[in-house]
Amino acid sequence: QVHLVQSGSEIKKPGASVMVSCKASGFTFSKFGISWVRQAPGQGLEWMGWISGFNGNRKYAKNLQGRVTMTTDTSTSTAYMELMSLRSDDTAVYYCARPKMVAGTLGIYYLDYWGQGTLVTVSS
Amino acid sequence: DIQMTQSPSSLSASVGDRVTITCRASRSISSYLNWYQHKPGKAPKLLIYAASILQDGVPSRFSGSGSGTDFTLTISSLQPEDFATYYCQQSSTTPWTFGQGTQVEIK
Repeated sequence: QVHLVQSGSEIKKPGASVMVSCKASGFTFSKFGISWVRQAPGQGLEWMGWISGFNGNRKYAKNLQGRVTMTTDTSTSTAYMELMSLRSDDTAVYYCARPKMVAGTLGIYYLDYWGQGTLVTVSS
Repeated sequence: DIQMTQSPSSLSASVGDRVTITCRASRSISSYLNWYQHKPGKAPKLLIYAASILQDGVPSRFSGSGSGTDFTLTISSLQPEDFATYYCQQSSTTPWTFGQGTQVEIK
């Protein structure tokens, strides 16, 4: 059974950094990647980026480049998302999700399993 | 970036109604289109991937169609547990982008 279990809620001050973890189980972590998606209050879903579990290659959303870093620890099947220089508009629920490629294709991905979400509140 | 536009933004429907949500991409994404259901306080749930393939365990009243730039999610007979927000998402190119969501409410 696939599970993605995220770390708990965080309260941070503007300018600080936050790191959210996502521990995977039930599948071979190195054969997949982890994608991160967030939802600010009253807003829709926003894709933040993804990291390959195989070789650590990363893709980040342009509006977060320079502030976000995604990493993995294959020895513990855990992915991490660090967001720096936090602002009030970074207040959101952050989700990790597993991207899976459609069999027989070369790049049709979908997010089939999701973590439970981590609330990050940025407030002075 | 590819922009995804859903319509309507919200709708009111009754149990048993047929519901259709559309999603338009700003340029062709072939069949690189997924649909998710999201309820408050829960993680999003994958419903349809590659435009028309039903995810395992998802009821058959959900279906998806389309290719290129225009896509549709249909719920053939709305059930009480279907009241939620629905998102389309393209995985043709990064950044992967979501539609703004369609909130399905009880009439």
